[in-house]
Parts: sequence; structure tokens; C-alpha cells
Amino acid sequence: EIVLTQSPGTLSLSPGERATLSCRASQSVSSSYLAWYRQKPGQTPRLLIYAASYRATGIPDRFSGSGSGTDFTLTISRLEPEDFALYYCQLYGSSPLFTFGPGTRVDIK
Amino acid sequence: EVQLVESGGGLVQPGGSLRLSCAASGFTFSNYEMTWVRQAPGKGLEWVSYISGSTNIMYYADSVKGRFTISRDNAKNSLYLQMNSLRAEDTAVYYCARFVLVVGFHLDFWGQGTLVTVSS
Repeated sequence: EIVLTQSPGTLSLSPGERATLSCRASQSVSSSYLAWYRQKPGQTPRLLIYAASYRATGIPDRFSGSGSGTDFTLTISRLEPEDFALYYCQLYGSSPLFTFGPGTRVDIK
Repeated sequence: EVQLVESGGGLVQPGGSLRLSCAASGFTFSNYEMTWVRQAPGKGLEWVSYISGSTNIMYYADSVKGRFTISRDNAKNSLYLQMNSLRAEDTAVYYCARFVLVVGFHLDFWGQGTLVTVSS
């Protein structure tokens, strides 16, 4: 079973700053299998990035994804108030079919 | 507009059963594979189960295998999760989510979730 690790656990930043979130897999994976979601407090998760670097429909271009192999990154170029939330990376696999990382919380500094 | 609306959550005693439903609209339901994902209070996301679009292929997380059954009725645009032998650790918000295999493998739309509380 592939394990996903996200770092940091919490990121404290100010609006307008750049956020860099990391997702590391315990073994090399296809970038097609890696996605990112944002979950605002009390809300449902929303797809941000799929296949490591493709923005989902309606997602602003301040969000970008990159990476390959075991290391993947979600970058938010300029934090907006609605971006202070939880972020999860997700891996599609064989067993289990989906694995989620533990999440990174982006807090207002 | 794609919509997924879960229902059927509630309070149930340990060992009890519950059936969740997810009503889909705004897309051709039978063309899409579907999943259930849950989130325990204050915790992260955990995939629960998957069902194919029309071939009834199903997969389960080890934590629910043998206790939960996923099903769908394409004529009614509905997804279900039958949960038996419920345990305290099954307490969570349960989301249905649409599974997409276009370029990548991901969940592109999620419902608002329904809360299941297992407690005596």
C-alpha cells in the first residue's frame, strides 16, 4: 500500500503571500493518479488539480500543480481569503482504490 | 449543473444498519463510476467504496469489507450504500463523489455529505 505524506501540517501565511504545499508518495507513482482538493471549513471537498498539473474547471490560475515520481507540489501564487482551508492530495491506486494524504491546513497568520 | 445529494444519515446503535442514498442529476449517471468517501469528525478523508457505471464492479476499503454494500440504480439516477454491523469508528460524514477517468483519475464532483453517528 502506498502512503501519502503531506507537509507541512500547518502553513501560516498572510493574504497575498505564496503557499507551497508538498505531497510525497512512499513509492513512485504515475502523475496521472495524483489530484489535489481544497476543503473550506464546514464544506465539501472541491477538486483543484488532477493528473498532478491540470487545473479543474473553474479553478483560478493562481493554483498550479507540479511534480512527478514521489514528490508533488501544489502552489497558490497569491492567497485569497477563501484559500485559507484544508488541502488534501489524493492518489488513485489498486488497493485501496483511493488514498488521501493527511492534509495541510493553511491558516491566516 | 451536476448535483449529488446524499440522504439517509442519522443516529444508529452499534451493530445496527443504515442505508445511504445519493441522488444524481445534471449528467448521464450510467456513464460514470461512483464512489463513497467518508470523513470522521475532525479527521481526514477516507475512501470507502467504488462502483462501476454499468458492469457492477465493486471495490471496498478493508475497513468496511464484508459489512458495507455499494449499489446503484441507473434508472433512478441513484447510488446507495448499505451499511451493516455498524461500529463507533464508522461515525463520519459520508460523501458520494463522481469518479472521472479523463487524463487523470479523480473525483470531480462531491455531494454535501450526510452524517452517520454510531452511538448507544
